[in-house]
Amino acid sequence: DGGITQSPKYLFRKEGQNVTLSCEQNLNHDAMYWYRQDPGQGLRLIYYSQIVNDFQKGDIAEGYSVSREKKESFPLTVTSAQKNPTAFYLCASSPGTGTYSNQPQHFGDGTRLSIL
Amino acid sequence: DQQVKQNSPSLSVQEGRISILNCDYTNSMFDYFLWYKKYPAEGPTFLISISSIKDKNEDGRFTVFLNKSAKHLSLHIVPSQPGDSAVYFCAASPLSIIQGAQKLVFGQGTRLTINP
Repeated sequence: DGGITQSPKYLFRKEGQNVTLSCEQNLNHDAMYWYRQDPGQGLRLIYYSQIVNDFQKGDIAEGYSVSREKKESFPLTVTSAQKNPTAFYLCASSPGTGTYSNQPQHFGDGTRLSIL
Repeated sequence: DQQVKQNSPSLSVQEGRISILNCDYTNSMFDYFLWYKKYPAEGPTFLISISSIKDKNEDGRFTVFLNKSAKHLSLHIVPSQPGDSAVYFCAASPLSIIQGAQKLVFGQGTRLTINP
């Protein structure tokens, strides 16, 4: 079954620690995205990648970093510089380029990050 | 500055009746609009989309209407079923066949409850 896998489902972080959230897709999609959701709010774009070895900052990139070394994988690191990291993090992918750029994004089931 | 707004945080509808969810946007560069449905602790699921060359798109019980002059879109669900109870997000993006990734902007969501 094709889809997006995010792990872990729940993650706890101590103050001052970096943590990495995993996102893997087997949909053969070129574009991948990371969003953050806070209670009562919509999804906000953290980073996105159109293609391997390329990524761009979204609206709230401060305190986060990403890499895109493989087409299937787009891990997100929440650094200690992120002052309010407690949130629900969602990864998505879409086919990407050319005439497929208007295809909808597909989402994983998210990772809930909490600060101890 | 919220570019996509869903002004109703919640909506309660009787089973079998029509549910109407509304969304307003401010950015005139948006020309691709989507609705997603989200259950708690899961990722959003794509429902239906519309591009600005249309004013209506229908898929089964779901119809999206777009009023470009008013910068308003709505999602109609008829008949409403108990399984439709979820949070619904509208999202918008400029449509581009050149840029591979979609920079979606999401509304805050509307929690729909279908009462038996």
